[in-house]
Amino acid sequence: QVQLRESGPGLVQPSETLSLTCTVSGFSLTSYGVNWVRQPPGKCLEWMGVIWGDGSTAYNSLLKSRLSISRDTSKSQVFLKMNSLQTEDTAIYFCARGPHFDYWGQGVMVTVSS
Amino acid sequence: EIVLTQSPTTMAASPGEKVTITCRASSSVSYMHWFQQKSGTSPKPWIYDTSKLASGVPDRFSGSGSGTSYSLTISSMEAEDAATYYCLQRSSYPYTFGAGTKLELK
Repeated sequence: QVQLRESGPGLVQPSETLSLTCTVSGFSLTSYGVNWVRQPPGKCLEWMGVIWGDGSTAYNSLLKSRLSISRDTSKSQVFLKMNSLQTEDTAIYFCARGPHFDYWGQGVMVTVSS
Repeated sequence: EIVLTQSPTTMAASPGEKVTITCRASSSVSYMHWFQQKSGTSPKPWIYDTSKLASGVPDRFSGSGSGTSYSLTISSMEAEDAATYYCLQRSSYPYTFGAGTKLELK
């Protein structure tokens, strides 16, 4: 069955770089895209970006200068890297299968704090 | 960027009551998609391509709309429908979500 699972550090220092991994199963990364979506505590969802089956990417323009999404198809993993983290980047980070957002991971809570 | 404005922000409905949530887009979109999220869980796909129910969604739910105005309707509110509902447009980048409508049981 289709599954996505996010992993990464729960705590990141301000100004440092966040690295998250989305490990998928039940589908091929060369056939489906993977989106990253985040949700600050008590707030709404924000689309961050996507990597498509052909390896192309698209980013939220508000985050584009800090954000990179890549993948390792052999390991069925998608990576998110975002630099210059600030406290307002504290959020639950989700990965979701594209194009339809039909399957989501459980999310990983990331807190930006010194 | 296409801004999605949901209304109401919060509402409470009694069992059996009809509920309508609207999502207005700042520019025309081809389709609207809806997600249900309950506290502490991931969003679930609920309605896609404006009016198609995702797997397992009760048929008391329906979606409609076109252009810049879309809606999600519950024909008869049930306790399990209490949740936050988000609309999503993926007609153009950046994809954008509405701010959500929190639906509570009265």
